[in-house]
Amino acid sequence: DTEVTQTPKHLVMGMTNKKSLKCEQHMGHRAMYWYKQKAKKPPELMFVYSYEKLSINESVPSRFSPECPNSSLLNLHLHALQPEDSALYLCASSLTQGNQPQHFGDGTRLSIL
Amino acid sequence: GENVEQHPSTLSVQEGDSAVIKCTYSDSASNYFPWYKQELGKRPQLIIDIRSNVGEKKDQRIAVTLNKTAKHFSLHITETQPEDSAVYFCAASIESGYSTLTFGKGTMLLVSP
Repeated sequence: DTEVTQTPKHLVMGMTNKKSLKCEQHMGHRAMYWYKQKAKKPPELMFVYSYEKLSINESVPSRFSPECPNSSLLNLHLHALQPEDSALYLCASSLTQGNQPQHFGDGTRLSIL
Repeated sequence: GENVEQHPSTLSVQEGDSAVIKCTYSDSASNYFPWYKQELGKRPQLIIDIRSNVGEKKDQRIAVTLNKTAKHFSLHITETQPEDSAVYFCAASIESGYSTLTFGKGTMLLVSP
């Protein structure tokens, strides 16, 4: 099983809503990542979890709140988002943090009304 | 921090031709260099990677070369096919348990039949 699964695939929400993105992997990877990607741009790192602990927060606004309940799951809680937060949100995992191959999920296409 | 420059931003070739995409990096401590292919609306997929103890790596029609002295690495695709059309991202990371990937800005490859 070499997949990273993300749900939902698409999400439309208003600026006052609260929603969550979910990511799951069963490859035994101990590092998981959230990226934001705008059209025709590279993925932009948001958060890294290593062994279920937050390792890196790239100065992301507090309206994005990550959570790693266990080694297979990664959530991103969303609250009071802005229109500029509309993007593709990608989850990735790697065996460990560091210079290891990262495997990406298909992403959640998020639209903020 | 690390900076990765990628050229060209767009590359158009005829089917059967070769394509070369080049990246330069700034941090001499970088030692892991993956390449990702992202088709429209899909996830970034790792297609090949190289570590700094190797100068070249091949996988069928794809090869990557690394010049540590000049701090640049290149992706070579031979006998291009229309299904090679995608955006290609290079990346670099250093040897550290806390490192992350630094991506180039991407190259849109268009292969015409």
